[in-house]
Amino acid sequence: EVQVVESGGGLVQPGGSLRLSCAASGFTFSNYWMTWVRQAPGKGLELVTNIKGDGSQIYYLDSVKGRFTTSRDNAKNSLYLQMNSLRAEDTAVYYCARDRGGATTLDFWGQGTLVTVSS
Amino acid sequence: DIQMTQSPSSLSASEGDRVTITCQASQDVRNYVKWYQQKPGKAPKLLIYDASHLETGVPSRFSGGGSGTDFTFTISSLQSEDIGTYYCQQHATFGQGTKVEIK
Repeated sequence: EVQVVESGGGLVQPGGSLRLSCAASGFTFSNYWMTWVRQAPGKGLELVTNIKGDGSQIYYLDSVKGRFTTSRDNAKNSLYLQMNSLRAEDTAVYYCARDRGGATTLDFWGQGTLVTVSS
Repeated sequence: DIQMTQSPSSLSASEGDRVTITCQASQDVRNYVKWYQQKPGKAPKLLIYDASHLETGVPSRFSGGGSGTDFTFTISSLQSEDIGTYYCQQHATFGQGTKVEIK
């Protein structure tokens, strides 16, 4: 059974840092692009970043470039999102999702982890 | 960047009604459009990929169509369990969402 489980969310002050993790199971992790999608309270979905199976290609939303870094450890079947210089507008539920086929067809999602940036 | 303009932003319909949501791309995106359903407090769920292909296990009352810049998503007979918000998506861009309620 395919599963992705996020962890690492929490309350952080503006300017602070947080690292999210996503543990994957039930599929050959290294064969798939993986994606982080966020949803601010009461708002729509926003694709933050995605990374190719071998880590050779990475995309970032303009508003997080230079602040967020996505990485993966295929030996541990894990995806990471390092978030630095956090702003209030980064407050959201962050979802990890598997991308089937590399065309951002997000077929399996985690339950999400809440990041709150506030003083 | 490609923009995806989704409408309406919300709708209210009776059970059994046919419901249609539209999504317009700012440029030709061929058939690279997906549709997701999100129920309150839950993660989104993939319903339709490549504009018109039904994801495995998704009820056949859901369908999608279109190509190029204009796309539609239809629920042929609205059921109470279909309430939620629906999003179109093309690569890194999501539509604004359509909240579907039962009248």
